[in-house]
Amino acid sequence: DAGVTQSPTHLIKTRGQHVTLRCSPISGHKSVSWYQQVLGQGPQFIFQYYEKEERGRGNFPDRFSARQFPNYSSELNVNALLLGDSALYLCASSGTVATNEKLFFGSGTQLSVL
Amino acid sequence: AQRVTQPEKLLSVFKGAPVELKCNYSYSGSPELFWYVQYSRQRLQLLLRHISRESIKGFTADLNKGETSFHLKKPFAQEEDSAMYYCALSFNSGYSTLTFGKGTMLLVSP
Repeated sequence: DAGVTQSPTHLIKTRGQHVTLRCSPISGHKSVSWYQQVLGQGPQFIFQYYEKEERGRGNFPDRFSARQFPNYSSELNVNALLLGDSALYLCASSGTVATNEKLFFGSGTQLSVL
Repeated sequence: AQRVTQPEKLLSVFKGAPVELKCNYSYSGSPELFWYVQYSRQRLQLLLRHISRESIKGFTADLNKGETSFHLKKPFAQEEDSAMYYCALSFNSGYSTLTFGKGTMLLVSP
């Protein structure tokens, strides 16, 4: 079991650019969630997708968007990057969207905005 | 809105000493509570969840609804317990999202 895989591992962008982060869930998992972790803080929820539909959205601006593909992989897109978008972006997968469901996290993509 | 508070950024103990990592939450309903752990150079992983009422690696956590707390405890700390610990909350919103605390770094010295 390869676990949740994310790409790229590191990324450097400049202000105003666009970025796409990718995530492959554990085989058999149909739910993918995205979290942003700023240095010194806990992860903060951005989106959850289940069966290719958005099931939840956190308190993030419309510059953030995501989608899930038929193979359950997912992309997180961020437009018009700001310095404050610099963070570790974590993807997590789960089998269902039950409230007590265990989430399996990837290693993350470290985004630096200059 | 729901919130999770972990008052200690760093907790340093000696091997064999008892450990208590504090977690308080605010939520008007009945949440699900979790502890996630991140060991050095490893990914974030589930340590335990209150619904399972289990003990993992000697750690236990009891949900106290009166005090809105979910403190993590271990009677005898081991050096391999050194890690970043996050308390997290989920609630019946139709999707399994987590609200995390800021985390507590546990350092266990020999």
